[in-house]
Amino acid sequence: DADVTQTPRNRITKTGKRIMLECSQTKGHDRMYWYRQDPGLGLQLIYYSFDVKDINKGEISDGYSVSRQAQAKFSLSLESAIPNQTALYFCATSDSGDGGTDTQYFGPGTRLTVL
Amino acid sequence: GENVEQHPSTLSVQEGDSAVIKCTYSDSASNYFPWYKQELGKRPQLIIDIRSNVGEKKDQRIAVTLNKTAKHFSLHITETQPEDSAVYFCASQPPGRRALTFGSGTRLQVQP
Repeated sequence: DADVTQTPRNRITKTGKRIMLECSQTKGHDRMYWYRQDPGLGLQLIYYSFDVKDINKGEISDGYSVSRQAQAKFSLSLESAIPNQTALYFCATSDSGDGGTDTQYFGPGTRLTVL
Repeated sequence: GENVEQHPSTLSVQEGDSAVIKCTYSDSASNYFPWYKQELGKRPQLIIDIRSNVGEKKDQRIAVTLNKTAKHFSLHITETQPEDSAVYFCASQPPGRRALTFGSGTRLQVQP
């Protein structure tokens, strides 16, 4: 879905470095999410935002922070990256006015490797 | 918070056979249950969903059933094809301003 973009698509960094992953959407959705997917595992929610002034922790928020700069932009930061944060990161959006179904539209993912 | 368990973690079927994936949820107030398909190297995409006021929903070869009393829901794929091979995720969502909780995923392999 080209309406949800993530940058960078791939990133290799070193332990202790600060990393920012960015997500932008042109779908006009109010809700945005960051998920982490480890190899062979499911989707774990890191943070979610139901509107620009509403930020909520997910199940694995430790070591991460987020910023909702505008309705269309939601960034994820790793303040001091560690190797076990190596994973595939997905951004997603949804529309609160979507008849209550909250369908999630995922970005292409960012593959992050922490050495 | 909500907890979703998904079984089996892997499933291998012969082309043309049926496949069933089951999920249980913990929050009896949950009222929305989507299923997502993730092909290798791709992003997850919604394939079907059901709300708690409906017991079953079909879309061509796929169907989802919901048993609110037992707090479980299932994905049924009939006449499986190689292109059905993917990882499937169930999810549930309680009412109000709360996010989806995903299951751990099922890797389905359809053998030609």
